[in-house]
Amino acid sequence: EAQVTQNPRYLITVTGKKLTVTCSQNMNHEYMSWYRQDPGLGLRQIYYSMNVEVTDKGDVPEGYKVSRKEKRNFPLILESPSPNQTSLYFCASSLSRGSSNYGYTFGSGTRLTVV
Amino acid sequence: QQPVQSPQAVILREGEDAVINCSSSKALYSVHWYRQKHGEAPIFLMILLKGGEQKGHDKISASFNEKKQQSSLYLTASQLSYSGTYFCGTEKSNFGNEKLTFGTGTRLTIIP
Repeated sequence: EAQVTQNPRYLITVTGKKLTVTCSQNMNHEYMSWYRQDPGLGLRQIYYSMNVEVTDKGDVPEGYKVSRKEKRNFPLILESPSPNQTSLYFCASSLSRGSSNYGYTFGSGTRLTVV
Repeated sequence: QQPVQSPQAVILREGEDAVINCSSSKALYSVHWYRQKHGEAPIFLMILLKGGEQKGHDKISASFNEKKQQSSLYLTASQLSYSGTYFCGTEKSNFGNEKLTFGTGTRLTIIP
């Protein structure tokens, strides 16, 4: 089944403890992206990747890191999580960007709580 | 800069029609529409590209007025399954390096 897989689905952690949220897609998509969703603010882009080894900042990149060493994987790293990073996180992928008719396929989400 | 969606929320009876609007202050290349049910991932509905093409499937369609930098999503004869939050996402160019920026969403509730 074509899908974007995120893990974990739920995570409670303490301030300052490094964590990684994994994202993997099996559709050979070039484009991958991370969003956070907060009440009243919609989906805000954190980072995106046009292809392997190509990443760029979205609208709210502070406090996050990403890497794209393989086409299928796009992990989100919080080096020192803080309570303001408590949110619902979505990974998304698309066949390509630009001049395209391709929408995003989203993962099931990761609900992160930082205490 | 996020596109502006209106209304923020709407409640309809089954069978009624709904229109959700999405406006941008910037020139747009494309508009995406997604629906998200509570606790689930957003699901892609359709893309409209620059050129004013109207798209649709089943009883859900959308239009894109590039001069006004607006898109509207039309849901006709709404069904209970249409309930959810609808998001538009906008792109400013087709160069491939532009962000897809989402609006804050419109919550649609369909009651029997």
